[in-house]
Amino acid sequence: DGGITQSPKYLFRKEGQNVTLSCEQNLNHDAMYWYRQDPGQGLRLIYYSQIVNDFQKGDIAEGYSVSREKKESFPLTVTSAQKNPTAFYLCASSPVRQFDEQFFGPGTRLTVL
Amino acid sequence: DQQVKQNSPSLSVQEGRISILNCDYTNSMFDYFLWYKKYPAEGPTFLISISSIKDKNEDGRFTVFLNKSAKHLSLHIVPSQPGDSAVYFCAAISGGYQKVTFGTGTKLQVIP
Repeated sequence: DGGITQSPKYLFRKEGQNVTLSCEQNLNHDAMYWYRQDPGQGLRLIYYSQIVNDFQKGDIAEGYSVSREKKESFPLTVTSAQKNPTAFYLCASSPVRQFDEQFFGPGTRLTVL
Repeated sequence: DQQVKQNSPSLSVQEGRISILNCDYTNSMFDYFLWYKKYPAEGPTFLISISSIKDKNEDGRFTVFLNKSAKHLSLHIVPSQPGDSAVYFCAAISGGYQKVTFGTGTKLQVIP
């Protein structure tokens, strides 16, 4: 089955620790995205990548880092510099510039204690 | 600065009636719009889209209307079904199609 997987579904970390969220897709999509969802707010774009070894900052990239060493994988690191890291994080992929074919993963809820 | 706004955080509709979800945007460069549906603890799924060269797009029970002069779009669901209960996000793309900007979402509850 083709799709996007994110792991883990729930993640708890102590304040000041970096944490990496996994995102894997087997849809052969070139583009991948990380969004953050907070209560009462829309999905906000953190980072996106349209091709391996290249990525761009989204609207709220501060305190986050990504890598795109493989087409299938786009891990997101939430660093200690991110002031409000507790949120629901969604990864997505699509053919480049085809958002009506954008598929989302199930999400990871990160709670920083 | 929220460029895509959904001013109604929630909406309740009786089963069989019409659901109308509204979305306003401020960026006149947006030229493609999408609606996504999201169930709790799941990622959003694409529902329907519309290009700025059209004012209406229909797919089964779902119709999206675009009023460019008012910078407003709406999603109509007719007839509404209990399985439609979810959070609906509108989203917009500007030229270049590199990224999508999402609205704040409207939680629809369809009452049996």
